[in-house]
Amino acid sequence: DAKTTQPPSMDCAEGRAANLPCNHSTISGNEYVYWYRQIHSQGPQYIIHGLKNNETNEMASLIITEDRKSSTLILPHATLRDTAVYYCIVRAIVSGNTPLVFGKGTRLSVIA
Amino acid sequence: ETGVTQSPTHLIKTRGQQVTLRCSSQSGHNTVSWYQQALGQGPQFIFQYYREEENGRGNFPPRFSGLQFPNYSSELNVNALELDDSALYLCASSLAANEQFFGPGTRLTVL
Repeated sequence: DAKTTQPPSMDCAEGRAANLPCNHSTISGNEYVYWYRQIHSQGPQYIIHGLKNNETNEMASLIITEDRKSSTLILPHATLRDTAVYYCIVRAIVSGNTPLVFGKGTRLSVIA
Repeated sequence: ETGVTQSPTHLIKTRGQQVTLRCSSQSGHNTVSWYQQALGQGPQFIFQYYREEENGRGNFPPRFSGLQFPNYSSELNVNALELDDSALYLCASSLAANEQFFGPGTRLTVL
């Protein structure tokens, strides 16, 4: 079962920041927080991941609370093309099998 | 574009038949994972191959099997197809346990 809890849906106005929350209160010390998104009928797309420090790349920023029990994915200027299902996943990076365990994600609708 | 390709894009089979789905991994990646995504659900892990050996499996019956070849491409085989096998099948490639990059998927319909 997924170890994360996300709201089922969110709306965001085009051009505004989209802030997607995720709770992972049972996260272990060796587990990273990963974010993927899935645009309709396509394969999931990797966005970003982090352990405890905040991370930023060309797609998004990831803010992880100090206790690591929750995080927020920030899309700084949402566009219509950001409409997708966003999945927050906790995953240990160790040698051997480390599958991604997907929940139901948050369906983000960016509105013009 | 992730560089991960899957074939075919769509497939229709009937109950009891067998199917083979194919995946070409991104250059430099040695690990392939397969996922099944039913309509309205998140992807569910089927199994993973690392350097031609299965090194992890989710809660799927033995009629789901796979192969990984020396060039790290992979096949997913499903025998004795059931109606509930209708889904989007996704493969993801990675360099060992690093982040996984997904292909576009194969949409399987079982009638």
